[in-house]
Amino acid sequence: AQSVTQLDSQVPVFEEAPVELRCNYSSSVSVYLFWYVQYPNQGLQLLLKYLSGSTLVKGINGFEAEFNKSQTSFHLRKPSVHISDTAEYFCAVILLSGGYNKLIFGAGTRLAVHP
Amino acid sequence: DAGVTQSPTHLIKTRGQQVTLRCSPKSGHDTVSWYQQALGQGPQFIFQYYEEEERQRGNFPDRFSGHQFPNYSSELNVNALLLGDSALYLCASRRSGEEYNEQFFGPGTRLTVL
Repeated sequence: AQSVTQLDSQVPVFEEAPVELRCNYSSSVSVYLFWYVQYPNQGLQLLLKYLSGSTLVKGINGFEAEFNKSQTSFHLRKPSVHISDTAEYFCAVILLSGGYNKLIFGAGTRLAVHP
Repeated sequence: DAGVTQSPTHLIKTRGQQVTLRCSPKSGHDTVSWYQQALGQGPQFIFQYYEEEERQRGNFPDRFSGHQFPNYSSELNVNALLLGDSALYLCASRRSGEEYNEQFFGPGTRLTVL
């Protein structure tokens, strides 16, 4: 069965420190990979995506992620976080079969940035 | 461009009742998906509508049904509500035609079942 595992439910970090949010997936078919952010009482916003090509992808708000096929991982990183980055972050995949672009999400990681 | 809109914002129902949630897709989008996000969880795919038909369905009971109208807007209906149906319901829209087109999410409808 296909699944997405976010290894940390909560990540506390101080402002201006680097952060990494971890994501692993399992799938028997090729996938597209995504990170979404959800601010309180809001919907989901796409941070970045990997479809093909370079395994290092850059997104909005200074975030980047690296696709590692051998480790089936897609970890999200930011070199220096701000208070405004406090939010819930979701890793997701689309299976490249079926053609319906169904997103499969992880359980989320709550990033809490402290001053 | 108004983006994806959903109504109502919040809803309170009691067990056994029925509820209808509404979604208007982003301009130019013809495909609508619905997701359920329980508290502290990631969104779970309910179903997707394209050309007014349900094209794919997640692991949800028949109490969950939907509809898509000719203007591409969509409704999610839930019958015989259970306490466990309390969640944020998210609608997402995209354009069809390519292998991948980005899905844009609405702000969601918060359903509370008492």
